[in-house]
Amino acid sequence: EPEVTQTPSHQVTQMGQEVILRCVPISNHLYFYWYRQILGQKVEFLVSFYNNEISEKSEIFDDQFSVERPDGSNFTLKIRSTKLEDSAMYFCASRGTKGDQPQHFGDGTRLSIL
Amino acid sequence: QKEVEQNSGPLSVPEGAIASLNCTYSDRGSQSFFWYRQYSGKSPELIMFIYSNGDKEDGRFTAQLNKASQYVSLLIRDSQPSDSATYLCAVKGGSTLGRLYFGRGTQLTVWP
Repeated sequence: EPEVTQTPSHQVTQMGQEVILRCVPISNHLYFYWYRQILGQKVEFLVSFYNNEISEKSEIFDDQFSVERPDGSNFTLKIRSTKLEDSAMYFCASRGTKGDQPQHFGDGTRLSIL
Repeated sequence: QKEVEQNSGPLSVPEGAIASLNCTYSDRGSQSFFWYRQYSGKSPELIMFIYSNGDKEDGRFTAQLNKASQYVSLLIRDSQPSDSATYLCAVKGGSTLGRLYFGRGTQLTVWP
């Protein structure tokens, strides 16, 4: 069964550094999403993306965040200057465009900011 | 702010019992509802989705939706220890790509 893949599985970074989290959505999916989950808290929406444009973003997704589809398969989330509170699990999700299809999640990247 | 509330749990049931997980949502216009299972430290895994009022069954899982009461539930029949996980209720927002609003989850433990 096709799946969303994310790399790396764990990223440790010094505060203030830039990080790029990578995702390969399911191949025939065109709607992409990033969510995050701080330890012990609920899953929170960050951003949705379609046709090389941000469709919607939450209040969390400030100027420190950006997303990009650099080629036909990858979808990336960049955090420019990381803060301690950015430590969380980051999940990429994708879904197809026909009808009302559910979102499928990748295994996540655990981001630890020191 | 669209809210999704789940019964707080934790919920503990014996093996073979029925586990009942509940969820309410605040946006009366919501149309699509999802149940995800999340094992500790892992990602959400889609279990069921439901769009119409009534019941939807898939194996040991039944999702129930009552839009008038803004209520969605998940029943797990013949619960197994492997069902022990946190169950997340998610409601799709009305935007074009439909962001998901998640509840905090209900932790289920099935003991042998």
